[in-house]
Amino acid sequence: DSGVTQTPKHLITATGQRVTLRCSPRSGDLSVYWYQQSLDQGLQFLIQYYNGEERAKGNILERFSAQQFPDLHSELNLSSLELGDSALYFCASSVDGRAQYFGPGTRLTVT
Amino acid sequence: AQTVTQSQPEMSVQEAETVTLSCTYDTSESDYYLFWYKQPPSRQMILVIRQEAYKQQNATENRFSVNFQKAAKSFSLKISDSQLGDAAMYFCAYRNVGGATNKLIFGTGTLLAVQP
Repeated sequence: DSGVTQTPKHLITATGQRVTLRCSPRSGDLSVYWYQQSLDQGLQFLIQYYNGEERAKGNILERFSAQQFPDLHSELNLSSLELGDSALYFCASSVDGRAQYFGPGTRLTVT
Repeated sequence: AQTVTQSQPEMSVQEAETVTLSCTYDTSESDYYLFWYKQPPSRQMILVIRQEAYKQQNATENRFSVNFQKAAKSFSLKISDSQLGDAAMYFCAYRNVGGATNKLIFGTGTLLAVQP
């Protein structure tokens, strides 16, 4: 158990819908990272937050957004969902950036 | 831009034997971190081992060790005394030190099978 929690574990939704994925980092970790794992794109960095502020963006679509709250938990919002958004979404956290610890992931299926 | 290459899509090893997974990377930076992550069928990403580029000594964690060749930009993972529980997808990952982000750049993975 990495200490990072993610909810829900599985999500099935229809095209055009909007979903919110939630992540709670390890106690004391200020940085949260979101990654997407899909069969065709592999593991890709989406976005990073540090202590409530956006730190960096990767290959994140404009339909996706995220935030980190004062209690350091983070949410990833995916809207206008398309079939191609079906993937495993991971959250990771770190205290000093040397090592990132991953949550169990949320499997999103868009039908 | 930095890239990570894992040229072995699949590997197989007999239980109790030793196996080495390969990883090469490309970067113009002199300071960075390298990692191996394990992803078993449960899909959880588990940190196996990490290496700081400024350290010449190869990292070791129990049965897992790395061979870090900075000049060759090579970072292989050796698993000794392989166990059935080692069967998983293994990802090599790179991270810059400093800069605006600590994002991880992953290779495409190597699927390791362990034969009893």
